[in-house]
Amino acid sequence: DVKVTQSSRYLVKRTGEKVFLECVQDMDHENMFWYRQDPGLGLRLIYFSYDVKMKEKGDIPEGYSVSREKKERFSLILESASTNQTSMYLCASSVRGEQYFGPGTRLTVT
Amino acid sequence: QKEVEQNSGPLSVPEGAIASLNCTYSDRGSQSFFWYRQYSGKSPELIMFIYSNGDKEDGRFTAQLNKASQYVSLLIRDSQPSDSATYLCAVNRVQTGANNLFFGTGTRLTVIP
Repeated sequence: DVKVTQSSRYLVKRTGEKVFLECVQDMDHENMFWYRQDPGLGLRLIYFSYDVKMKEKGDIPEGYSVSREKKERFSLILESASTNQTSMYLCASSVRGEQYFGPGTRLTVT
Repeated sequence: QKEVEQNSGPLSVPEGAIASLNCTYSDRGSQSFFWYRQYSGKSPELIMFIYSNGDKEDGRFTAQLNKASQYVSLLIRDSQPSDSATYLCAVNRVQTGANNLFFGTGTRLTVIP
């Protein structure tokens, strides 16, 4: 079974803090993704990576950055958290187009 | 036009009935189609994928693809209360690599006991 884990299920941060969300997959997948999911807006792609040290912007990269130093790990960084970044953050990895999601991190920025 | 469109629902069916979930997509070059199930408060779970025109069956689930009409559907036979969830349709993004997907906003299904 594919296993994708995320560092936290719930996180509360203050405006202006730097926030790190970690994602690890154990299936040696090349591709990894970060999404946010908001009611009525669905899943929106923030960044993705198709190889170690490679990253590409998704549809809503503003205010975020990513890091992929090892194949199994893909980190999302909120440089200076803002209240409009309160959301559910989902990491996924994929093979042959089939994406497998982690449990998600519900981030609240106050 | 959105890349992937789904009826937002909610869709309610009685237990034991067939639930029919529909999805249309805009890019005629799309080749891969996926259905995810998402329970409230949980992450999406892949339940079906289909690449060729026609039907693909897996237990109580059948995915149907019609590329000419740019239409993909999911049928759930003998619906159970445990099928109550939001179902997301996803389609591969032709313009980008890394197996990127466009997701619909989902259809909420409620199966009434």
